[in-house]
Amino acid sequence: GENVEQHPSTLSVQEGDSAVIKCTYSDSASNYFPWYKQELGKRPQLIIDIRSNVGEKKDQRIAVTLNKTAKHFSLHITETQPEDSAVYFCAARNNAGGTSYGKLTFGQGTILTVHP
Amino acid sequence: DAGVTQSPTHLIKTRGQHVTLRCSPISGHKSVSWYQQVLGQGPQFIFQYYEKEERGRGNFPDRFSARQFPNYSSELNVNALLLGDSALYLCASSLAWNSPLHFGNGTRLTVT
Repeated sequence: GENVEQHPSTLSVQEGDSAVIKCTYSDSASNYFPWYKQELGKRPQLIIDIRSNVGEKKDQRIAVTLNKTAKHFSLHITETQPEDSAVYFCAARNNAGGTSYGKLTFGQGTILTVHP
Repeated sequence: DAGVTQSPTHLIKTRGQHVTLRCSPISGHKSVSWYQQVLGQGPQFIFQYYEKEERGRGNFPDRFSARQFPNYSSELNVNALLLGDSALYLCASSLAWNSPLHFGNGTRLTVT
């Protein structure tokens, strides 16, 4: 089955700096890659996603890049703010179905702390 | 615009007991998935239901079962609770089985 590795496990930056979180996946059939932000005691919130037919997607200060050949994808946050502090999870899924159907496989999470 | 709603928010059970968790999807969403999140880890897939049929099952024992009702709401049942079942149980809904997932706030289950 799919395995998603996420690094780093913790990331500390100063306000205004950029933050980068990287994930690798094992199943070359995976073609959908969402990122979730989870604040303490709250639900995971979808912040951006990318499909394998594109290499990059941006939404204001957030961007995701995908390298299908190397089987890795990254989340980039620019001009970080204290309210960006949270746990970030990457995930992967095969949107064509197969035995895993709609299963999202998550990484272990990255605790991002943005210091004012 | 109501999001995914789960009940109860918190639950304390004793080993060996049974628990039922409930989920109402976003209006119009036909797929419901259940995930278990242990503290400090990413969510782990338990089940996915689409159009009231089980479409996927994760690596969980048969003590875990679920169903989806005609109104697309869902229940997760866990029998013979173990201490290791203590976790946050997240329900997520999506328009279709391969659409983006939107999570509820979860049910915090503590087994003593």
